[in-house]
Amino acid sequence: AQKVTQAQTEISVVEKEDVTLDCVYETRDTTYYLFWYKQPPSGELVFLIRRNSFDEQNEISGRYSWNFQKSTSSFNFTITASQVVDSAVYFCALSEETSGNTPLVFGKGTRLSVIA
Amino acid sequence: ETGVTQTPRHLVMGMTNKKSLKCEQHLGHNAMYWYKQSAKKPLELMFVYNFKEQTENNSVPSRFSPECPNSSHLFLHLHTLQPEDSALYLCASSLGRGSSYNEQFFGPGTRLTVL
Repeated sequence: AQKVTQAQTEISVVEKEDVTLDCVYETRDTTYYLFWYKQPPSGELVFLIRRNSFDEQNEISGRYSWNFQKSTSSFNFTITASQVVDSAVYFCALSEETSGNTPLVFGKGTRLSVIA
Repeated sequence: ETGVTQTPRHLVMGMTNKKSLKCEQHLGHNAMYWYKQSAKKPLELMFVYNFKEQTENNSVPSRFSPECPNSSHLFLHLHTLQPEDSALYLCASSLGRGSSYNEQFFGPGTRLTVL
């Protein structure tokens, strides 16, 4: 069975600090996909990144970076030099190849508060 | 209009009312989803439609009734709801069948309050 754990329920940082959001997943599939979404106060989930299980290259996009480690089943998300606009709930999600179009399994989310 | 839109954005209804939530996607996708997001609970998948066929129904009470007349539109019909059904209802879409690797795009949600 697939499962996503985001152990950090809430994190508070001061603006310009770096922050890492943890995500640990469980799956029996060898092919799977991992996602991160951001949910600002407006409510809409915004897609940030997708990573497939065969691509362990870390990715950087501006102030965002993702560290995918299959050995520890983790897909952590780091925000560098955080800003107040980064305040949101961040969700990690997993989709297994064999589940066909079965949708994403989400973690419970991590609420990030960036204080000016 | 682009992306995924949902109407209404806010809805207050009594337990005996009947209402419908609407979702529309302008992305050319073929799969659409309803999720429920309650306070302090993870996102719960409710229904999935793939090429207009319902492919998943996660033990949702019959007081929630989905309808997908075409790949661009998805409705959630509500009747005789309970106060515990108060939540944010999110609609999403993705490319479709066999696309577990494809990201879902979400609408802004409908904040439902049942009195």
